[in-house]
Amino acid sequence: SQQGEEDPQALSIQEGENATMNCSYKTSINNLQWYRQNSGRGLVHLILIRSNEREKHSGRLRVTLDTSKKSSSLLITASRAADTASYFCATASYIIQGAQKLVFGQGTRLTINP
Amino acid sequence: DGGITQSPKYLFRKEGQNVTLSCEQNLNHDAMYWYRQDPGQGLRLIYYSQIVNDFQKGDIAEGYSVSREKKESFPLTVTSAQKNPTAFYLCASSIRGANEKLFFGSGTQLSVL
Repeated sequence: SQQGEEDPQALSIQEGENATMNCSYKTSINNLQWYRQNSGRGLVHLILIRSNEREKHSGRLRVTLDTSKKSSSLLITASRAADTASYFCATASYIIQGAQKLVFGQGTRLTINP
Repeated sequence: DGGITQSPKYLFRKEGQNVTLSCEQNLNHDAMYWYRQDPGQGLRLIYYSQIVNDFQKGDIAEGYSVSREKKESFPLTVTSAQKNPTAFYLCASSIRGANEKLFFGSGTQLSVL
C-alpha cells in the first residue's frame, strides 16, 4: 500500500529557481526520508528527518515535517540542470525484527530547464 | 569501493521460466531489501531480510522467492507464478535499526519475451 502521496507529480522550472515538492502520509511515522532517482538508475538517499524534528538542511536541500498535518516538503534552492530527476518520499512507520519498513510515494518528476 | 551490485542490468524471461536476479553488497549491512518499480510509480516491497537465514514477505511477495545464505548476498527469483513480471527491480541494504537510510543498487530491468 502507498503511504506517501506526492504533489505535484511533475514539476518543470527554470535553472536557478527554487523547487518545492510535497509529501502527505496517513499513519504515524518514526521518520520520513527523501530519495532521488535519475532515469533508469537506483535511488540515492538525500535526507532523513525524524518524527520529533521539524526542519532539516543539507546543502541546497531543506526538508520540513509537520506531524500534525502528516506532511513534509522538500525545497531545492538555486536549482541546476543536474537536479533533473525523480524525487521520492518514504515513510518508516514501524520496526520489524530490528529493521524499519519503508513505504515509498509515487514520486515527483522534476525537470530543470537551462 | 563499497556498495551494492545488481546483475544483470537487463534480463529477459520466457513464458514459464524462473529467473534469478543477483544482489551483492560489501557494506557489511545486516538488512537487505527487494523492491519492484513499475513505470511512473513508486517502489513496492517484495521481500526483506534482517539477518542471515531469515527473511520476511513484503507487500507483494506472491510469485517471488528469496534466500539469504550469506550476509553479502540476497538473490531474488522471479517464478513462473508471477504473471506480470515486467518491471524494474531494485535491491537495497541498510544497517539494522530505526532511522537508518537505505543504499540502493543500480537496478535490473526484467522484461518478458
